[in-house]
Amino acid sequence: DTEVTQTPKHLVMGMTNKKSLKCEQHMGHRAMYWYKQKAKKPPELMFVYSYEKLSINESVPSRFSPECPNSSLLNLHLHALQPEDSALYLCASSQETSREQYFGPGTRLTVT
Amino acid sequence: GENVEQHPSTLSVQEGDSAVIKCTYSDSASNYFPWYKQELGKRPQLIIDIRSNVGEKKDQRIAVTLNKTAKHFSLHITETQPEDSAVYFCAASMRSSGDKLTFGTGTRLAVRP
Repeated sequence: DTEVTQTPKHLVMGMTNKKSLKCEQHMGHRAMYWYKQKAKKPPELMFVYSYEKLSINESVPSRFSPECPNSSLLNLHLHALQPEDSALYLCASSQETSREQYFGPGTRLTVT
Repeated sequence: GENVEQHPSTLSVQEGDSAVIKCTYSDSASNYFPWYKQELGKRPQLIIDIRSNVGEKKDQRIAVTLNKTAKHFSLHITETQPEDSAVYFCAASMRSSGDKLTFGTGTRLAVRP
């Protein structure tokens, strides 16, 4: 398996909802990332996990809560989001030695 | 922190012509420079990368050059085809920042048939 997968593809949620985004890779990569991408903008890094430990949090609001249950899975738990949080959420993974980051297809999130 | 500037923001070329996209970075400690292609509604796709110990790298119609002294790197696409139309992002990273990618603002390339 040479891909990063993400579910769901699309998500619409209200500001009081709680939802989770999921990311999975089976390439043996030990670093996993969450990015947020707004329309016509580059991806912005949110979190980095290295060997299942959170290594970087780019001052992301606490309404976004990442979790790495094991080396293949990465979750992003969402709670009390704002309409401005609507965006494409991308997961990526990399092998520490090669540094090449491979992106999943993303979850398009709409907060109403 | 690192800052990456990318030019031009839009580029339109005739099929078969070459396209060049340029990026500059601010932190001399950056040592890894990937390029991503993102088609509309799709994921960013790594198309080529270069490390600071190399000045040029080529893969078929795509090449990347790096000038460490001037802190700039460029993407060259030769014999462009309509399927090359996409947004291209450059990025820079350094080991000391946990390989965090700092992206340029993107170049929208349109190849006219």
